[in-house]
Amino acid sequence: EAQVTQNPRYLITVTGKKLTVTCSQNMNHEYMSWYRQDPGLGLRQIYYSMNVEVTDKGDVPEGYKVSRKEKRNFPLILESPSPNQTSLYFCASSLAGSSTGELFFGEGSRLTVL
Amino acid sequence: DAKTTQPTSMDCAEGRAANLPCNHSTISGNEYVYWYRQIHSQGPQYIIHGLKNNETNEMASLIITEDRKSSTLILPHATLRDTAVYYCIVRVRGAGNNRKLIWGLGTSLAVNP
Repeated sequence: EAQVTQNPRYLITVTGKKLTVTCSQNMNHEYMSWYRQDPGLGLRQIYYSMNVEVTDKGDVPEGYKVSRKEKRNFPLILESPSPNQTSLYFCASSLAGSSTGELFFGEGSRLTVL
Repeated sequence: DAKTTQPTSMDCAEGRAANLPCNHSTISGNEYVYWYRQIHSQGPQYIIHGLKNNETNEMASLIITEDRKSSTLILPHATLRDTAVYYCIVRVRGAGNNRKLIWGLGTSLAVNP
């Protein structure tokens, strides 16, 4: 089954404790992206990657890092989480070669930073 | 900022057509209109997209006005499982060829028995 898989789905952590949210897709998609969703603000793009070893900032990259060492994986790293990073996070992927390719989303990771 | 305007909420009777409007008066000639929906807090699900012509797939129909300043998503026979937040999105070409979707707050559609 074609899917985007995120882990963990739920996480409660404390300020400053580094964490990684993993994202993996099995569709051989070149394009991958991370979003965060907050009440009243909609989905906002954090980082995106057009292909392996190619990453770039989205609209709200502060406090986050990403890497793209393999095509299928695109982990989101919070080096020193803060309470304002409490949010619902989504990973998404699509075929970069298609200019109209739909985005496939993971099921989301709900992060709470105390 | 979102390039689209949608009603905050709508109701629809089960079995009837749901018509969800969207205004995108500042859309550029090469920008596509996409529709996604989100059920509870699950990952958004792609529905349909279009540029100029009306489009139809197994889920819905998309009607785009001739001037492209507005569109309507039509769910022909709404079911209770169609209760969700529906997002009308204009896809812009961001920096570095980023395929960027500008998300608004969507329309919360309630399908009632």
